[in-house]
Amino acid sequence: DTAVSQTPKYLVTQMGNDKSIKCEQNLGHDTMYWYKQDSKKFLKIMFSYNNKELIINETVPNRFSPKSPDKAHLNLHINSLELGDSAVYFCASSLRGAEAFFGQGTRLTVV
Amino acid sequence: QKEVEQDPGPLSVPEGAIVSLNCTYSNSAFQYFMWYRQYSRKGPELLMYTYSSGNKEDGRFTAQVDKSSKYISLFIRDSQPSDSATYLCAMKGTGGFKTIFGAGTRLFVKA
Repeated sequence: DTAVSQTPKYLVTQMGNDKSIKCEQNLGHDTMYWYKQDSKKFLKIMFSYNNKELIINETVPNRFSPKSPDKAHLNLHINSLELGDSAVYFCASSLRGAEAFFGQGTRLTVV
Repeated sequence: QKEVEQDPGPLSVPEGAIVSLNCTYSNSAFQYFMWYRQYSRKGPELLMYTYSSGNKEDGRFTAQVDKSSKYISLFIRDSQPSDSATYLCAMKGTGGFKTIFGAGTRLFVKA
């Protein structure tokens, strides 16, 4: 029974397209996150929602827009994709800001 | 200077060796310290979670935190080929939701 699940796992798309990644957690956590991991494995936080409220919004191009319809879901929409957006995007969740549990990642390739 | 420094390796050891992985940090507000293991093409998996200074042991894994030196370590005893992965240190302050990750150390355990 998957705790944090993301879809799709792989996404290959052309520059300029718009795409979305979905995330769901069944752990009963109140906080969800989006992280970006670049080719050097560096993991950097992008956004965080606590009880559907945006609490962390790092320096990310405004082409990236998170949306949390409820505490169990956090989606990431990316407009006008660029080559530099190619990375692995991880969703994570935690309870009251404690240790985070990660999904399996979405490998985005922009061509 | 990055908030969290971690040698990316790679680190190669023979099976059965004791492995020492380390991170240094600059922000004295960090109170919670974590170690994650990430296998290739998988999401980070929480290994150890400690608060403030001291040691914590879980099976073959021991986490140490020295806040006075701003230095944390993860020791793996009797290392196995299945321990081959990237190990990420992570840390955050009290009451905060933002976790800062190290760059990860890639470990190879040779049979």
